[in-house]
Amino acid sequence: ILNVEQSPQSLHVQEGDSTNFTCSFPSSNFYALHWYRWETAKSPEALFVMTLNGDEKKKGRISATLNTKEGYSYLYIKGSQPEDSATYLCASPSGYSTLTFGKGTMLLVSP
Amino acid sequence: NAGVTQTPKFRVLKTGQSMTLLCAQDMNHEYMYWYRQDPGMGLRLIHYSVGEGTTAKGEVPDGYNVSRLKKQNFLLGLESAAPSQTSVYFCASSSMGFNYGYTFGSGTRLTVV
Repeated sequence: ILNVEQSPQSLHVQEGDSTNFTCSFPSSNFYALHWYRWETAKSPEALFVMTLNGDEKKKGRISATLNTKEGYSYLYIKGSQPEDSATYLCASPSGYSTLTFGKGTMLLVSP
Repeated sequence: NAGVTQTPKFRVLKTGQSMTLLCAQDMNHEYMYWYRQDPGMGLRLIHYSVGEGTTAKGEVPDGYNVSRLKKQNFLLGLESAAPSQTSVYFCASSSMGFNYGYTFGSGTRLTVV
């Protein structure tokens, strides 16, 4: 089973703070790295799919970077808002057609 | 577009009962998956399918069966429910290849008493 690790497990910030969290994955035979946003009582939604070393993706105040050689990706949120509160998952391919998900980073943004 | 639809949304079963969870997608995706979500465990893959008529085991397949008779539907069966199968079940679908993100259903909360 592929090991996808996320840190920290949870994070509590104030509105307006910028924050970041980490996803670590095996760097050998890299294919892609996915980020998902999972709000409470909803289903995970894809944020980014990253495939190239040095790739940087951005969606509004959220951005992600990728280092395939050392096996990590960072997710950044600039100026966090309460609506950013969610669990952020990363996932890496674990076989021919499946993803292994990390356990997620739970973010709580207080007004 | 409905995306991925799961039915039912909630269910309570008695130990030993059987049931089928239905997943339907309208995006013409080749790949479909069933995951379970348990506290502290993350999403774990139960079974998956890479096309109509195909299925394969994931990380935690014991106690479950699946079928994909039509491309748009992926069924997850519990033959004899056990309390350890109390969980939230998510279905997902995707296009071929890892360049595409998964689209998830809204989940089924199953309690086995």
